[in-house]
Amino acid sequence: DAKTTQPTSMDCAEGRAANLPCNHSTISGNEYVYWYRQIHSQGPQYIIHGLKNNETNEMASLIITEDRKSSTLILPHATLRDTAVYYCIVRVYSGAGSYQLTFGKGTKLSVIP
Amino acid sequence: EPEVTQTPSHQVTQMGQEVILRCVPISNHLYFYWYRQILGQKVEFLVSFYNNEISEKSEIFDDQFSVERPDGSNFTLKIRSTKLEDSAMYFCASSEAGRGSTDTQYFGPGTRLTVL
Repeated sequence: DAKTTQPTSMDCAEGRAANLPCNHSTISGNEYVYWYRQIHSQGPQYIIHGLKNNETNEMASLIITEDRKSSTLILPHATLRDTAVYYCIVRVYSGAGSYQLTFGKGTKLSVIP
Repeated sequence: EPEVTQTPSHQVTQMGQEVILRCVPISNHLYFYWYRQILGQKVEFLVSFYNNEISEKSEIFDDQFSVERPDGSNFTLKIRSTKLEDSAMYFCASSEAGRGSTDTQYFGPGTRLTVL
């Protein structure tokens, strides 16, 4: 299983871009990078995922380095509601058609007014 | 927007009692999952379910746990004889398919289980 490394915590000023890094140096060629977030004790919320190309949706952008050993989640204009724990997850394919997500400790992002 | 729902939001039970946690996955999804999160700890995978059988389970998912899809919409997690250490948030998730890039898991809001 590819493991991920994220900073324990980060601060971001409201209205500024939040850039959350993730290292996944042992990722294999067919593993995707997923980002989820968890606001307080709510259920994890899907944000975005990618394989090797950069991706953008209405919530965020995902930048994956060419060697795929690291990625950055970008929240372009952080708001107070973006305060959460952000998880970078490399998907483990179990071979049975389903797969489990392995959550680490994530990055606690605090958006400051 | 379709979402995963879970009931109850909070369940309090006595040690040794049986509990059933309920989930309604997104309607066209085929894969179902349970995760749990003990207070202050990581989210942990328990079990995945497809085509009316368990696809994969973790070592946490011992004989005290069982899952069932009793009808076309509900997905349940049963804990036969609860222990104090079963106190946690339990999250249900579902995904459209297991293969390909669209098999994103979507999570419900969780059930907080408190065992006294």
